[in-house]
Amino acid sequence: DAKTTQPPSMDCAEGRAANLPCNHSTISGNEYVYWYRQIHSQGPQYIIHGLKNNETNEMASLIITEDRKSSTLILPHATLRDTAVYYCIVRLVLGNEKLTFGTGTRLTIIP
Amino acid sequence: GAVVSQHPSRVICKSGTSVKIECRSLDFQATTMFWYRQFPKQSLMLMATSNEGSKATYEQGVEKDKFLINHASLTLSTLTVTSAHPEDSSFYICSAQFRAGAFFGQGTRLTVV
Repeated sequence: DAKTTQPPSMDCAEGRAANLPCNHSTISGNEYVYWYRQIHSQGPQYIIHGLKNNETNEMASLIITEDRKSSTLILPHATLRDTAVYYCIVRLVLGNEKLTFGTGTRLTIIP
Repeated sequence: GAVVSQHPSRVICKSGTSVKIECRSLDFQATTMFWYRQFPKQSLMLMATSNEGSKATYEQGVEKDKFLINHASLTLSTLTVTSAHPEDSSFYICSAQFRAGAFFGQGTRLTVV
């Protein structure tokens, strides 16, 4: 079973910041938070991952709460191409642990 | 970033025939690859874990004799759907582990008629 909880859908206006929440209250100390997105009829795309510090890359920022029980993915200036299903996943980094996908959040960017 | 190539992207086959799907890691070596299946409006479901040079590990409920997985090299894993039936029609996706992340192929849309 997936270890994360996400809202099923969200809308965001084009050009605004999209903030996608994720709850992972049972996360263990050696598990990372990963975010992927899947655009219709394509394979998932890696976005970002983190352990406990906030992370930023060219695609997004990841904010993890101090207790690590929840996190937020931020797309700073959403475009229509960001419309996709976003998956928040917790997993170990060491080894080759499989990724277990939940239902994700369907993000729709509104023109 | 790491690139995973999956082929074919789309295939239509007749019921009872077999279909092979290839998954290649283009710029890195992958000792472990994963195969997923996705039905319309559903999330990805892991089918099996493919390890180079050894037998694949199948998830509960996945028929290993129907979904044959071969991982003969560090850059190639194949999934063969044997004796395909219409209920096998789905979107099949592979992924490969690279450093701290897993990277996915483009997916294969299989339609069995």
